[in-house]
Amino acid sequence: KNEVEQSPQNLTAQEGEFITINCSYSVGISALHWLQQHPGGGIVSLFMLSSGKKKHGRLIATINIQEKHSSLHITASHPRDSAVYICAALFISNFGNEKLTFGTGTRLTIIP
Amino acid sequence: ETGVTQSPTHLIKTRGQQVTLRCSSQSGHNTVSWYQQALGQGPQFIFQYYREEENGRGNFPPRFSGLQFPNYSSELNVNALELDDSALYLCASSLRGFTDTQYFGPGTRLTVL
Repeated sequence: KNEVEQSPQNLTAQEGEFITINCSYSVGISALHWLQQHPGGGIVSLFMLSSGKKKHGRLIATINIQEKHSSLHITASHPRDSAVYICAALFISNFGNEKLTFGTGTRLTIIP
Repeated sequence: ETGVTQSPTHLIKTRGQQVTLRCSSQSGHNTVSWYQQALGQGPQFIFQYYREEENGRGNFPPRFSGLQFPNYSSELNVNALELDDSALYLCASSLRGFTDTQYFGPGTRLTVL
């Protein structure tokens, strides 16, 4: 069964803190997406990665294929980073069909 | 460059009715995916269309169906609406399916009474 789990479910931190959100998946995947969802529903793609590490501004995403685990880090967190962060794993079936399976999200609140 | 748009923004239907939701892809994108997001949950993959053909489907019953048009815009149709179909419906377009950045629309919030 293709499963994706995120932790923590909720995270509250002070402005400036280093943030880590974790994502684990059950079987091999071909890619993993990190997404940001603001109140009202709009989703923005942050990263898509299949190995190693990617960085964009204060955001860093890493993936360890052997351990079936990915992390999203935010450095020098800011109240505008408050949002729900969702990971989504791309599974390929035996028939070659692609299926994107999402975690339930981590609600991040940064307090000024 | 126009982003992904969805219509309508909000919709209220009653149980048993049918609904059609629409999505316009970002310019140049030939792949569209649809998702259902219940309140407090992560999105769930409904299906994906690539160049007018269904290219993968999640665990949704056949009453969820779709179309992709030659201009790569797309429709999601849901027949025989049930109360549990109440959710935010999101579409996303991309250039090369899931191994590429997904560009999401703002969503359509469907309420079934």
